[in-house]
Amino acid sequence: DGGITQSPKYLFRKEGQNVTLSCEQNLNHDAMYWYRQDPGQGLRLIYYSQIVNDFQKGDIAEGYSVSREKKESFPLTVTSAQKNPTAFYLCASSIRHINYGYTFGSGTRLTVV
Amino acid sequence: GDSVTQMEGPVTLSEEAFLTINCTYTATGYPSLFWYVQYPGEGLQLLLKATKADDKGSNKGFEATYRKETTSFHLEKGSVQVSDSAVYFCALKVSSGTYKYIFGTGTRLKVLA
Repeated sequence: DGGITQSPKYLFRKEGQNVTLSCEQNLNHDAMYWYRQDPGQGLRLIYYSQIVNDFQKGDIAEGYSVSREKKESFPLTVTSAQKNPTAFYLCASSIRHINYGYTFGSGTRLTVV
Repeated sequence: GDSVTQMEGPVTLSEEAFLTINCTYTATGYPSLFWYVQYPGEGLQLLLKATKADDKGSNKGFEATYRKETTSFHLEKGSVQVSDSAVYFCALKVSSGTYKYIFGTGTRLKVLA
């Protein structure tokens, strides 16, 4: 079955360390997205990519980096420059069409210890 | 700019009660409208959508009608169950070239047995 896989589900990071969250999809979707969700909050867009080897900053890109070397993969690196990285991170993918919904992964919960 | 406004939660109902979660939007052009549901610790799932004025989206007993004259897309269900307890997000997508979502802040629903 096609879907989008995020790993790991839980991640612990020491302050000052970079950490990379994985997102893989086998839906043949062109577009992929990273969102951050804080407790009781909505979703905020970090980065998105419409095609391979291209990506754009979202609303809260500072302290994060991404790459899109393959259509299937869109990893997110949370760098030590991100001041408050503890959050729930969601990856999504979609066909580039106004009527098409997103498919979301099950999320990665990152905790800084 | 484009935006989505949802009623604040939590909304607490008894089982079999009628549910309405209000959603209004501001958008240039003709957006597509969506409702997503998020169960605890999981990603978002597409619940229903409507792509043009007067369309009604429906799924699992939930309904929402795209009202252009009132710029609204209220979510309704005639008889809620405990299993409907979740966070519900309203979203719109515009054909601005990026096909990004604009999400509401989410409304938490608690259904009591």
